[in-house]
Amino acid sequence: DAKTTQPTSMDCAEGRAANLPCNHSTISGNEYVYWYRQIHSQGPQYIIHGLKNNETNEMASLIITEDRKSSTLILPHATLRDTAVYYCIVSVSGGYQKVTFGTGTKLQVIP
Amino acid sequence: KAGVTQTPRYLIKTRGQQVTLSCSPISGHRSVSWYQQTPGQGLQFLFEYFSETQRNKGNFPGRFSGRQFSNSRSEMNVSTLELGDSALYLCASSSQGQSFTDTQYFGPGTRLTVL
Repeated sequence: DAKTTQPTSMDCAEGRAANLPCNHSTISGNEYVYWYRQIHSQGPQYIIHGLKNNETNEMASLIITEDRKSSTLILPHATLRDTAVYYCIVSVSGGYQKVTFGTGTKLQVIP
Repeated sequence: KAGVTQTPRYLIKTRGQQVTLSCSPISGHRSVSWYQQTPGQGLQFLFEYFSETQRNKGNFPGRFSGRQFSNSRSEMNVSTLELGDSALYLCASSSQGQSFTDTQYFGPGTRLTVL
């Protein structure tokens, strides 16, 4: 599985959009980009995933660059409850069990 | 429905000892996965069991093993403990566990400290 690089931490003002970047320059053609988040003392929660097209669901939007070497998770209107560690993962579909979540990005939403 | 339960919640062991952690999945769930979480390495997948068979395995040494019983309850064993095994061990269950987007329900974890 391809490795990912994320900033260690980010701050975002409440009500503003939070844009979390992820680099995955060694991603292969059949690997998806997945985003999870982990709120303190809870297990990771699935957010969104995509292959090459941009995706949107009720939680977030995922923007994948044309060369697929990087992506951005967008939380359109961050709330205090969005404070969490966000993990960007690349894996073949169905292969999630083998991935390493890494250390992710600690997002702090500020009132 | 009751959630995923893990026992014990906290454990202190010394180097060289072995430890067994237990996980009871949500009723009806057949897939149980184990993860190790440390500040330095983040959250790493250990292995996944489905219908009493290990279906997937992460990159951990053979000292880490597990099993699943017919009622889907799972145990994880770590032998010859090392200081680096100190971590939060999370168990997650899902209905089938075949897709990354299958919702995994995580337990509260077992905090293992190796002295």
